[in-house]
Amino acid sequence: EVQLLESGGGLVQTGGSLRLSCAASGFTFSSYVMSWVRQAPGKGLEWVSGISGGSGSTYYADSVKGRFTISRDNSKNTLFLQMNTLRAEDTAVYYCAKEGAWFGDRIDNWGQGTLVTASS
Amino acid sequence: EVVMTQSPATLYVSPGERATLSCRASQSVKNNLAWYQHRPGQAPRLLIYGASTRATGIPARFTGSGSGTEFTLTINSLQSEDFVVYYCQQYYKWPPVTFGGGTKVEIK
Repeated sequence: EVQLLESGGGLVQTGGSLRLSCAASGFTFSSYVMSWVRQAPGKGLEWVSGISGGSGSTYYADSVKGRFTISRDNSKNTLFLQMNTLRAEDTAVYYCAKEGAWFGDRIDNWGQGTLVTASS
Repeated sequence: EVVMTQSPATLYVSPGERATLSCRASQSVKNNLAWYQHRPGQAPRLLIYGASTRATGIPARFTGSGSGTEFTLTINSLQSEDFVVYYCQQYYKWPPVTFGGGTKVEIK
């Protein structure tokens, strides 16, 4: 059974930093694209960033480019999202998501999410 | 960026009846369209991919159709657990993949 467990969320001042983690199990982690998707309060889903299985390719939404960095440790089956210079509009539940072997595929498993609140 | 528009925002349906949810893409996404079900406080769940293929374990009362720019999710014989929010997503033109704003199915 695929399991994705996010951690690292919390309350942070605007301008601050936070690092999210996602522990994966139940599948061959290194073979799949992994992504982060967020949902702001009262809003819909927004794709944030994705990384290929071997970490050779990464992509970001324009809204986070230059501030967020996605990475993964395939030896520990863990996905990360380093979030710097946080803004109030980054406040959201952040979901870890498993895609296919390459980008441009559906998300077939999601984590439960971790809440990030950026406030002054 | 492909803009996905879902309608209606809220759909009122009686238990046991049929719900029809719409999703429109601002340009063709061929059949690279997925539907997700999202219960509050839970992980979203993949229902449909490839516009019409049910994901593993999804009941047959969920049906997806359409291609190009117009898509439909039909839920037959609505059960109590079906009254939640549904999102469509295109994964044809990326980055970014994009989601619709969601349709909330409520009890009439």
